[in-house]
Amino acid sequence: SAVISQKPSRDICQRGTSLTIQCQVDSQVTMMFWYRQQPGQSLTLIATANQGSEATYESGFVIDKFPISRPNLTFSTLTVSNMSPEDSSIYLCSVSLDKSSGNTIYFGEGSWLTVV
Amino acid sequence: AQKITQTQPGMFVQEKEAVTLDCTYDTSDQSYGLFWYKQPSSGEMIFLIYQGSYDEQNATEGRYSLNFQKARKSANLVISASQLGDSAMYFCAMREGGNSGNTPLVFGKGTRLSVIA
Repeated sequence: SAVISQKPSRDICQRGTSLTIQCQVDSQVTMMFWYRQQPGQSLTLIATANQGSEATYESGFVIDKFPISRPNLTFSTLTVSNMSPEDSSIYLCSVSLDKSSGNTIYFGEGSWLTVV
Repeated sequence: AQKITQTQPGMFVQEKEAVTLDCTYDTSDQSYGLFWYKQPSSGEMIFLIYQGSYDEQNATEGRYSLNFQKARKSANLVISASQLGDSAMYFCAMREGGNSGNTPLVFGKGTRLSVIA
């Protein structure tokens, strides 16, 4: 399976600040996906990041609040801007990788953010 | 309409017993993939098993098997010989539109499994 590293793993953030989450993959991938998981909830897709183009955001998520960079095929960042307590969540990046049995999707370890 | 439905918010199972976690899905695509993930309290998402819509045989990975009933649009996860370490949240997910790798997953609400000694 792929190695997907996310940083930070946890952070406590002050209201109104911004935090950038990094996602590094040990192989080249076309698409990277960013999800949010609010406390006690399931995963919700924030955006899809394709190298060399603007990220595609899902309904309810906007670039000003969640800017994403995708400078190369192994790396992406998600910034959570002007944070409020409602942004307290686990943020996960994921990638799709070929296996002999077909594609599968792997996740990073997650970044657990608490906004105070 | 929900694309992935997990009707069991919580399940209990005795250690060493088998347990089935339910998942039904809704899609009009002919080509799609179904996934199960385990999420322990640490928050990481651990891939367990994958079933493609064209796969004729049910997928198996060690103690995990996927009971795929295409006509019923169900993809239940079966865990055999439950262990205490299996206690976690389990998510069923679907990717539509084939196996191109360019489409994201849609998740169900999850089932919390508790294994009792």
